[in-house]
Amino acid sequence: EVQLLESGGDLVQPGGSLRLSCAASGFTFSSYAMSWVRQAPGKGLEWVSSISAGGGYEHHADSVKGRFTISRDKAKNTVYLQMNSLRAEDTAVYHCAKVLDNDYSFFDIWGQGTMVTVSS
Amino acid sequence: EIVMTQSPATLSVSPGERATLSCRASQSVTSNLAWYQQKPGQAPRLLIYGASTRATGIPVRFSGSGSGTEFTLTISSLQSEDFAVYYCQQYNNWPLTFGGGTKVEIK
Repeated sequence: EVQLLESGGDLVQPGGSLRLSCAASGFTFSSYAMSWVRQAPGKGLEWVSSISAGGGYEHHADSVKGRFTISRDKAKNTVYLQMNSLRAEDTAVYHCAKVLDNDYSFFDIWGQGTMVTVSS
Repeated sequence: EIVMTQSPATLSVSPGERATLSCRASQSVTSNLAWYQQKPGQAPRLLIYGASTRATGIPVRFSGSGSGTEFTLTISSLQSEDFAVYYCQQYNNWPLTFGGGTKVEIK
């Protein structure tokens, strides 16, 4: 079964850092681009960051550029989101997602998400 | 950034009726448009990609149409399990952007 399992969400103070992990199983992880998409409480979906299958290319939303980095570990079948200088507006459920086709960035598999709360 | 606008925000429909959801892009996204369904407490589920191609396992009552800037998701006969929030997403340009969602509720 194809599965994505996020972890690492927590309560963190403004200005703090957190690293999210997404463990993939059931497919050839190294063959697909991966992304993070977040959803603030009661709000819609917001794309955050994407990384290419080989890890050589990244894209980030302007709202997180310079603060968040995305990376992947082929040996561990895991994608990460390093979040620094966290703000209250970063509070959200963070989902990782897999693309269906590397030429097109839409998502056929989503994880259940991990909650990040930024508050003092 | 391409802004995606969905309408209406809420759609009240009786079971068995047809539902028509709209998504408009601020500039052309050609056919690079996907639709997702999300139920409370669950991850989004891919319904449609390429504006009109159903994803694996999606019932035929879901159909998508449109190109350029105007898109439609139609649910031909609403079932109880279809009451949810629906999002469109463009993947023609970075940054990827989602619409604000349409909530389909029971009338």
